[in-house]
Amino acid sequence: NAGVTQTPKFRVLKTGQSMTLLCAQDMNHEYMYWYRQDPGMGLRLIHYSVGEGTTAKGEVPDGYNVSRLKKQNFLLGLESAAPSQTSVYFCASTKEGYGYTFGSGTRLTVV
Amino acid sequence: GESVGLHLPTLSVQEGDNSIINCAYSNSASDYFIWYKQESGKGPQFIIDIRSNMDKRQGQRVTVLLNKTVKHLSLQIAATQPGDSAVYFCAESPSMGAGTALIFGKGTTLSVSS
Repeated sequence: NAGVTQTPKFRVLKTGQSMTLLCAQDMNHEYMYWYRQDPGMGLRLIHYSVGEGTTAKGEVPDGYNVSRLKKQNFLLGLESAAPSQTSVYFCASTKEGYGYTFGSGTRLTVV
Repeated sequence: GESVGLHLPTLSVQEGDNSIINCAYSNSASDYFIWYKQESGKGPQFIIDIRSNMDKRQGQRVTVLLNKTVKHLSLQIAATQPGDSAVYFCAESPSMGAGTALIFGKGTTLSVSS
């Protein structure tokens, strides 16, 4: 019973590099979300998906892209990383809009 | 934009005391509220939730109270234990379902001393 799995757990990027964060859930949840968490702050929504093949922008979408090609996976991409994107990224999923389940996070540092 | 905030960034209690963590929300249309616990280096962990058609809900050692008149949410932890030390976030959602996302407050750090 894995729940929500995020890979990688840690990553250091140089400014301008690109990378993809993977979120996988095995609960057959329809909705998936990407959040970022900065020191002393709550979680802020980057992008979300209400189903396979659909994505939508959240509160802080600039500099990120997402894809939901399979129901169980939600990918977050950084095309050209910037130091302002240094953060901890959390993926979450939910079936019907309640009881959201979070992954353990990806700690990203952009130097 | 609309957001959820917490009254105090930190709360220190003695083991065995009852803890009360408060949260004020601004969106009167919010329909669903959740409390999360986040330990260092981990993702948010669901504690308890409540719908807007309720004013109280109880779990194991935890109670959530919702006052829609003043847009206030609180989490009560009975007999607080050292293992309860963590950051607590309240979150709101305009409506359940339809893929609406949670809006988080900034968090309250609970420290429990034995």
